[in-house]
Amino acid sequence: GAVVSQHPSRVICKSGTSVKIECRSLDFQATTMFWYRQFPKKSLMLMATSNEGSKATYEQGVEKDKFLINHASLTLSTLTVTSAHPEDSSFYICSARDPLQGSGNTIYFGEGSWLTVV
Amino acid sequence: QKEVEQDPGPLSVPEGAIVSLNCTYSNSAFQYFMWYRQYSRKGPELLMYTYSSGNKEDGRFTAQVDKSSKYISLFIRDSQPSDSATYLCAMNGNQGGKLIFGQGTELSVKP
Repeated sequence: GAVVSQHPSRVICKSGTSVKIECRSLDFQATTMFWYRQFPKKSLMLMATSNEGSKATYEQGVEKDKFLINHASLTLSTLTVTSAHPEDSSFYICSARDPLQGSGNTIYFGEGSWLTVV
Repeated sequence: QKEVEQDPGPLSVPEGAIVSLNCTYSNSAFQYFMWYRQYSRKGPELLMYTYSSGNKEDGRFTAQVDKSSKYISLFIRDSQPSDSATYLCAMNGNQGGKLIFGQGTELSVKP
């Protein structure tokens, strides 16, 4: 089946630094990728929708200058948390839509990335 | 009112039991319905995908959609301890649209 790979799975960074998380679709081309944040025992909170070759669409309340999203190719999207602070510590998950599966609506998730800002 | 409502549980059942997980929704435009399983500290894994009303079976899992009642279910037969996870329903109204998730139901299957 389709696989979405996310890297790194865990990262610890110092407050004030930036950290980049990569999301790759391994065996399909993903025209659309999504970035989520999840707090413990909570559901997924959509942060932004990333379309290849265009600017990401951010959800209300998500700071676009703080969470930079780039979708430079059909298999790669990146999330950069800029000037990270301890309150940015969270579980970040990406997903990718496979346009050739399930009427073009099948969405697969990556394994997630644990970010800890110290 | 949230667009998608899901009982967060936790739900605890003995091994071998039949588990019923449910979601209700308010947006009649939703046509695509999914169930994801999420183990602790991992990303969600797609279990079932259905379009419009009806049933779909895959091994021990059966997904049901009743659009007239705006109600979807996931049944797990012969539940196993390895089924212990959080189960999330998700849905959208058009291909490629963002998914709307339920809160997730935490399931524990006791040996």
